[in-house]
Amino acid sequence: GEDVEQSLFLSVREGDSSVINCTYTDSSSTYLYWYKQEPGAGLQLLTYIFSNMDMKQDQRLTVLLNKKDKHLSLRIADTQTGDSAIYFCAESTNAGKSTFGDGTTLTVKP
Amino acid sequence: DTAVSQTPKYLVTQMGNDKSIKCEQNLGHDTMYWYKQDSKKFLKIMFSYNNKELIINETVPNRFSPKSPDKAHLNLHINSLELGDSAVYFCASSLTNEKLFFGSGTQLSVL
Repeated sequence: GEDVEQSLFLSVREGDSSVINCTYTDSSSTYLYWYKQEPGAGLQLLTYIFSNMDMKQDQRLTVLLNKKDKHLSLRIADTQTGDSAIYFCAESTNAGKSTFGDGTTLTVKP
Repeated sequence: DTAVSQTPKYLVTQMGNDKSIKCEQNLGHDTMYWYKQDSKKFLKIMFSYNNKELIINETVPNRFSPKSPDKAHLNLHINSLELGDSAVYFCASSLTNEKLFFGSGTQLSVL
């Protein structure tokens, strides 16, 4: 079945870059997503990439997709304390199901 | 206007009780979901409805019964609540196979 894995914790200093990694197993994934969850809130879509793309950049965010290795990463440039949150990687397939990773808790130290 | 709204935000109840959580979306989406987030923040899909039809039903106890009266609503009824049901329940919606929009969650505490 589908499986999405990501490391659980990442700690960086303010101003550094953060890189959150994710691997997935379903080769029929159509879209891959990054969601952000702040404390006490629901998940919000941060960015996404279509499975036939290698890279997507959106201001401080860069998403890299290696479809051969089924590896997805999210790079946050110039990380700020407001970026502290849980980041979920997710994949969706044509079957209409989204599978989420267990989330990476990003802690940004001043 | 809230896109995906769920009520209540907090629900504290005794073991054995029956409770419902309501969800409504005003985005015109055709698919709605219930997810459960446990104390470790792991997120697991429970149900998915597309145009009022159940399309995903993960291994959830049959004490949980979703009901979709129309495309804009997906309610979750839970019978005979157990301690292990304590979690945050998230409703979400999407267009078919597209990105999800989440509600702000219902924190359920079973005492």
